[in-house]
Amino acid sequence: EAGVAQSPRYKIIEKRQSVAFWCNPISGHATLYWYQQILGQGPKLLIQFQNNGVVDDSQLPKDRFSAERLKGVDSTLKIQPAKLEDSAVYLCASSGDSTGFLLYEQYFGPGTRLTVT
Amino acid sequence: GQQLNQSPQSMFIQEGEDVSMNCTSSSIFNTWLWYKQDPGEGPVLLIALYKAGELTSNGRLTAQFGITRKDSFLNISASIPSDVGIYFCAGQKIQGAQKLVFGQGTRLTINP
Repeated sequence: EAGVAQSPRYKIIEKRQSVAFWCNPISGHATLYWYQQILGQGPKLLIQFQNNGVVDDSQLPKDRFSAERLKGVDSTLKIQPAKLEDSAVYLCASSGDSTGFLLYEQYFGPGTRLTVT
Repeated sequence: GQQLNQSPQSMFIQEGEDVSMNCTSSSIFNTWLWYKQDPGEGPVLLIALYKAGELTSNGRLTAQFGITRKDSFLNISASIPSDVGIYFCAGQKIQGAQKLVFGQGTRLTINP
């Protein structure tokens, strides 16, 4: 079974520029999450989708961050304009398995490391 | 926001030694998960715990869901070089597809 795919793996941009990250979850997983992981810290949830609907975006800085999952499969996270403090690893995760046993467990992609200069 | 307190923050051990780390919270969690993260990679799920008092093993790893539902422990026996990495605990307040709250991580370094 293929894991969570993310691209690009690395991105360097200047402040005030825009950037977009892409995620393709594990096949059949209904729930998709975007996390931000700042160096030396644990991941922090930005937004959670159930199919193509937003379940929780309470920690998403909505003035500059946006995300969509239009067809309930892959997702895009965008930052516009970027700030220096947005430098972090952006992780995508998915959960929800048809067998039910693994329903509550989240599986992560490799992440996109963003550097804002 | 909600934070889990994970300790120790770092460990330096000799190969072959056993390792213990724990995670505590002021709030009750109904699911505890333990992840390992290698440099440049996303966290990989090691063990999931669903019931208070549950003790679960995965090879040389053993994790326990605290009776109070406010803590969890991870033990690694007979450490090997590939155990090096950062270990994160994560809790879910409600079982299901709900957000995970992560600890700050325990960085494990092994001297051969």
